[in-house]
Amino acid sequence: GENVEQHPSTLSVQEGDSAVIKCTYSDSASNYFPWYKQELGKRPQLIIDIRSNVGEKKDQRIAVTLNKTAKHFSLHITETQPEDSAVYFCAARVYSSASKIIFGSGTRLSIRP
Amino acid sequence: GAVVSQHPSWVICKSGTSVKIECRSLDFQATTMFWYRQFPKQSLMLMATSNEGSKATYEQGVEKDKFLINHASLTLSTLTVTSAHPEDSSFYICSASWAQGANEQYFGPGTRLTVT
Repeated sequence: GENVEQHPSTLSVQEGDSAVIKCTYSDSASNYFPWYKQELGKRPQLIIDIRSNVGEKKDQRIAVTLNKTAKHFSLHITETQPEDSAVYFCAARVYSSASKIIFGSGTRLSIRP
Repeated sequence: GAVVSQHPSWVICKSGTSVKIECRSLDFQATTMFWYRQFPKQSLMLMATSNEGSKATYEQGVEKDKFLINHASLTLSTLTVTSAHPEDSSFYICSASWAQGANEQYFGPGTRLTVT
């Protein structure tokens, strides 16, 4: 089955700097890669996603890149703000009737003022 | 649109009792629902996938006789934790998808279960 690894587990950056979180997946059949932001005690919120036929996607300060050959995908947050502090999860989905999404282990991002 | 609710939001029960958690899609029909468990400072671990009208598919290591899942309608799935023990204390989150094979999943707000 699919396995998703995520690094780093914790990340502290100065406000205004960029943050990068990296993930790898194991199943080459995975075709959908969402990123979620989760605040303490809350549900995960989809912040950006990318499909396997696209190499990069950007939405304001957030961008995601995908390297299918290497089975790597990354989240980039620019001009970080205090409200970006949260736990971020990458995930991967294998196209099948099950359509289940497998999560990475998470990255706790802290923005230093 | 695409709102998913869960009830209760938190519950405390005694060891040995059973607890039922409901997951509802409020404004769409959910062909598929997923149940996750999240321990403190850990990731979401998929427990099972349920399709309306059929038996749930459990992930490896999840006891199907302990975690009973029912998806009797297109808007409601329930998770019953039977004979709960303190180690079952966790944050349980459901998500719903409008179709098998659909990319998007919409998450419920989660249920905090504490077993004393």
